[in-house]
Amino acid sequence: GAVVSQHPSWVICKSGTSVKIECRSLDFQATTMFWYRQFPKQSLMLMATSNEGSKATYEQGVEKDKFLINHASLTLSTLTVTSAHPEDSSFYICSARDRGREEQFFGPGTRLTVL
Amino acid sequence: GIQVEQSPPDLILQEGANSTLRCNFSDSVNNLQWFHQNPWGQLINLFYIPSGTKQNGRLSATTVATERYSLLYISSSQTTDSGVYFCAAPGYSSASKIIFGSGTRLSIRP
Repeated sequence: GAVVSQHPSWVICKSGTSVKIECRSLDFQATTMFWYRQFPKQSLMLMATSNEGSKATYEQGVEKDKFLINHASLTLSTLTVTSAHPEDSSFYICSARDRGREEQFFGPGTRLTVL
Repeated sequence: GIQVEQSPPDLILQEGANSTLRCNFSDSVNNLQWFHQNPWGQLINLFYIPSGTKQNGRLSATTVATERYSLLYISSSQTTDSGVYFCAAPGYSSASKIIFGSGTRLSIRP
């Protein structure tokens, strides 16, 4: 149980385009999902917290207009990187928290490369 | 916010050796998680351990909440144990979010 999937697993795009990443909880309902970014040889940095049916809460320094988050259902959250630039290249990881549990379970990550 | 520190930052061991990884946190916590990030980037939940000791096969973890630290023990290391080990504790402003330590990069040599 507690499986989280992400799609795509990797994506290469041109500068200025937008990229959408999906995060799904496959066998549980996730009232809260989280989006992280990880640069090479660094730890995970939380970007935003997404609650089903409400606006996401962004961490300080994360541009909400650039990183659009939608949590439309209890099993799906999406992150859209708008007008991507090379400095947005990173490993993006989502996690989900099962209703009534404290643990977070993580997706396999999406490696974004912006040319 | 809460500070989470891990040591050592890097650890290189021969297969079969035992290791202890440490996680210190700056304030009392009501939960703590240990993860293993494999070479492909997937984070694997190892332990949810707000206090006490838990064991799962060759791995065990102990959290002493009153002294603000947790330890992860790996016995009889295997090459598949290589990767980065993270601990994470809840943030102050929101109990739902967790703050990661900087990780311990473990390399097991055959």
